[in-house]
Amino acid sequence: DAKTTQPNSMESNEEEPVHLPCNHSTISGTDYIHWYRQLPSQGPEYVIHGLTSNVNNRMASLAIAEDRKSSTLILHRATLRDAAVYYCILPQGGSEKLVFGKGTKLTVNP
Amino acid sequence: EAGVAQSPRYKIIEKRQSVAFWCNPISGHATLYWYQQILGQGPKLLIQFQNNGVVDDSQLPKDRFSAERLKGVDSTLKIQPAKLEDSAVYLCASSLTMDREIRGYTFGSGTRLTVV
Repeated sequence: DAKTTQPNSMESNEEEPVHLPCNHSTISGTDYIHWYRQLPSQGPEYVIHGLTSNVNNRMASLAIAEDRKSSTLILHRATLRDAAVYYCILPQGGSEKLVFGKGTKLTVNP
Repeated sequence: EAGVAQSPRYKIIEKRQSVAFWCNPISGHATLYWYQQILGQGPKLLIQFQNNGVVDDSQLPKDRFSAERLKGVDSTLKIQPAKLEDSAVYLCASSLTMDREIRGYTFGSGTRLTVV
């Protein structure tokens, strides 16, 4: 199964951009890269996903390295509401289920 | 669009008692998942259903945990008897697609179980 490696924690200041890195050196050619986040006392919520090209949506941008062995989730202007645990996930064993690691705890300072 | 509904929101039981959690997925989502999230850890997948059939229950402690999804819609997860280490948040999720893109993966708010 493809594994992901993320920093345990990161800090940011409000209204500044945040770049959350993820390494996935054993990714297969057809694995999508998924990002979810979990706010305190809530279930995880979808942020963004992509395969090869960079992706943008209203929440964030996903920058995928050319060799696909790493990716970066970009929050363009962090707000206090973005404080959460961010998970970078690859499907388990090529299946359609998501297996979560420990993620990166993002703290946003006012 | 209504989200994934779970109940109860909180439950406190004594060890060796039984407990059941209920989940109603998003309409049209054929795939349903139960996760266990222990404090400070990421969610751990327990079981996956496709319609009313089990796709993967390799991580489900079958001596005490059981789950069913009758009629391919609602699902219940049961623990009998509960142990102290079962204290966790139990999350239900459903997804739209059964392909590698895994679109529409949506979680409920979870049931927080405390075993005393």
